[in-house]
Amino acid sequence: DAMVIQNPRYQVTQFGKPVTLSCSQTLNHNVMYWYQQKSSQAPKLLFHYYDKDFNNEADTPDNFQSRRPNTSFCFLDIRSPGLGDAAMYLCATSKGWGAYEQYFGPGTRLTVT
Amino acid sequence: QKEVEQNSGPLSVPEGAIASLNCTYSDRGSQSFFWYRQYSGKSPELIMSIYSNGDKEDGRFTAQLNKASQYVSLLIRDSQPSDSATYLCAVESNFGNEKLTFGTGTRLTIIP
Repeated sequence: DAMVIQNPRYQVTQFGKPVTLSCSQTLNHNVMYWYQQKSSQAPKLLFHYYDKDFNNEADTPDNFQSRRPNTSFCFLDIRSPGLGDAAMYLCATSKGWGAYEQYFGPGTRLTVT
Repeated sequence: QKEVEQNSGPLSVPEGAIASLNCTYSDRGSQSFFWYRQYSGKSPELIMSIYSNGDKEDGRFTAQLNKASQYVSLLIRDSQPSDSATYLCAVESNFGNEKLTFGTGTRLTIIP
């Protein structure tokens, strides 16, 4: 089945220790997104890629970076995680930008100690 | 004013009854609307998309859209305990250059 896969599902890191989260998709979608979701809050868009075109949300902290080496994979790098970065990180994909349905992966729960 | 507003709930509905979830949005130019279901600790799962005024039915789910009044709703017929989850409304917003803006969700509990 076509799907969006995220690894790891749970990640524990220390304060200030860099961490990388990964996402892969078999849907052959053009757009990949990274969202951050904290408890009882709406998902917050961090970045999106349309093919290789990178789009950063204005309020995404510089501490967050992203890479999309090919159509199938996308990475989220957190350079120096703080306690406030503990959250669920969601990868999503869609065929196109805007009106298209987005499909989410299972998420990575990040804990910062 | 929030761009997408939902009643946070919890909304409690007896098993077998109709659950009605509502969402209002502020961008009059929005054209695309989505409902997601999110179980506790899990990721959002797409239930329905709707683009035109009126009703759209898929199994036990019906999405209703009224662009003039800027609201979109989701009806769940014959509610089951497995429908207990948080339901997120998402709206394509021109304010944000066509990105999806999510509401904070309505927590629905189906009482057996």
